[in-house]
Amino acid sequence: AQSVAQPEDQVNVAEGNPLTVKCTYSVSGNPYLFWYVQYPNRGLQFLLKYITGDNLVKGSYGFEAEFNKSQTSFHLKKPSALVSDSALYFCAVRALNNFNKFYFGSGTKLNVKP
Amino acid sequence: GAVVSQHPSWVICKSGTSVKIECRSLDFQATTMFWYRQFPKQSLMLMATSNEGSKATYEQGVEKDKFLINHASLTLSTLTVTSAHPEDSSFYICSARAWTGEETQYFGPGTRLLVL
Repeated sequence: AQSVAQPEDQVNVAEGNPLTVKCTYSVSGNPYLFWYVQYPNRGLQFLLKYITGDNLVKGSYGFEAEFNKSQTSFHLKKPSALVSDSALYFCAVRALNNFNKFYFGSGTKLNVKP
Repeated sequence: GAVVSQHPSWVICKSGTSVKIECRSLDFQATTMFWYRQFPKQSLMLMATSNEGSKATYEQGVEKDKFLINHASLTLSTLTVTSAHPEDSSFYICSARAWTGEETQYFGPGTRLLVL
């Protein structure tokens, strides 16, 4: 079975500081991993994905994520946080036997304070 | 990027009535759309996969007679919550699969349903 876990319900950072939102995965095989962001009362917006290749994936709005196979992690990072980055972030893994099916983490609320 | 819209953005209805939610792909054709449900402070749960011109595929535990899905065209899928009850109150989000150089799912803005 495939699953992802986001161990932090909430992350607080000051504007200008680096941010990390954690995600670990459990997949039997090579994972297809994704990060999405959700603003209040909005749908999810795609940030980035890892399928193969370089472990460091760059995405939208200055975000990047590092795939670490040994630690089964796919943490989302940004060198310098903005107040406008405050939102709900979801990590997801796509099912290996069904490309239609995504398994989402529980979400992490990011608060960036001025 | 590809745009997916939903209508209405929110709806309040009485218990026992039916509610229809539309999901449209605005600038691309989507042979496959997906319906998710999100409870407060929880993650998205896939309810069903909507295929154009054929029956939807429902996830285990989702009542197909309660959540009717119709995907009549390449740009429109509808979810009808029949005989709605307060426990059906939730945030419903659709997504569509698109090819924009590489395959990605694009999500709609969601529909908040409140059943009184």
